[in-house]
Amino acid sequence: QSVLTQPPSVSAAPGQKVTISCSGSSSNIGNNYVSWYQQIPGTAPKLLIYDNNKRPSGIPDRFSGSKSGTSATLGITGLQTGDEADYYCGTWDSSLSAYVFGTGTKVTVL
Amino acid sequence: QVQLVQSGAEVKKPGASVKVSCKASGYTFTSYDINWVRQATGQGLEWMGWMNPNSGNTGYAQKFQGRVTITRNISISTAYMEVSSLRSEDTAVYYCARGVVGYSSDYYYYFYMDVWGKGTTVTVSS
Repeated sequence: QSVLTQPPSVSAAPGQKVTISCSGSSSNIGNNYVSWYQQIPGTAPKLLIYDNNKRPSGIPDRFSGSKSGTSATLGITGLQTGDEADYYCGTWDSSLSAYVFGTGTKVTVL
Repeated sequence: QVQLVQSGAEVKKPGASVKVSCKASGYTFTSYDINWVRQATGQGLEWMGWMNPNSGNTGYAQKFQGRVTITRNISISTAYMEVSSLRSEDTAVYYCARGVVGYSSDYYYYFYMDVWGKGTTVTVSS
């Protein structure tokens, strides 16, 4: 089982906002930067957020990331049907000397 | 454009080995790490290990140490990931991903995967 915990699912209507939490510990989120990945079913993951809150080129500013202590949050505003996907947080775990992914959250647009 | 192209699907019997390739293009192969991540059907992402193509240094998740080997051929900008002693639980899609790692100015460690291959399906079945 993963050391990073996410809610299994979140949902909202088009145009609304959702937030996804990622809870960890001092050995991972607490002392390392967090990244977020979007995975549309049947496709490879895609980097959405890196260094806690930075967006790669081409990622709209509807996606945002933040971190506080041993938790991180991904926010998606102006929800669109194309945002339906699984979202994973990830970071390095210094105790495990391994990269760890969150349990994943399925976003549904109602 | 920057891309990672993986080898095709594999079907293997239990106990056999599989070697998946990942060819990089559009950037300097030795300037970025290569990571391997797998995903069983309906399951989450599982990080397996990394390699620095320049030095050849590798690191593996504890679960895979001794059974997974990551190598590279610099001359053809290709990384490889071999899994030995395959079992049915190894049936999954295997992804390679370019890694960006380092320390920030405030001494936090950053590690993220910014370019991903499309994945290679490995099926282990008798």
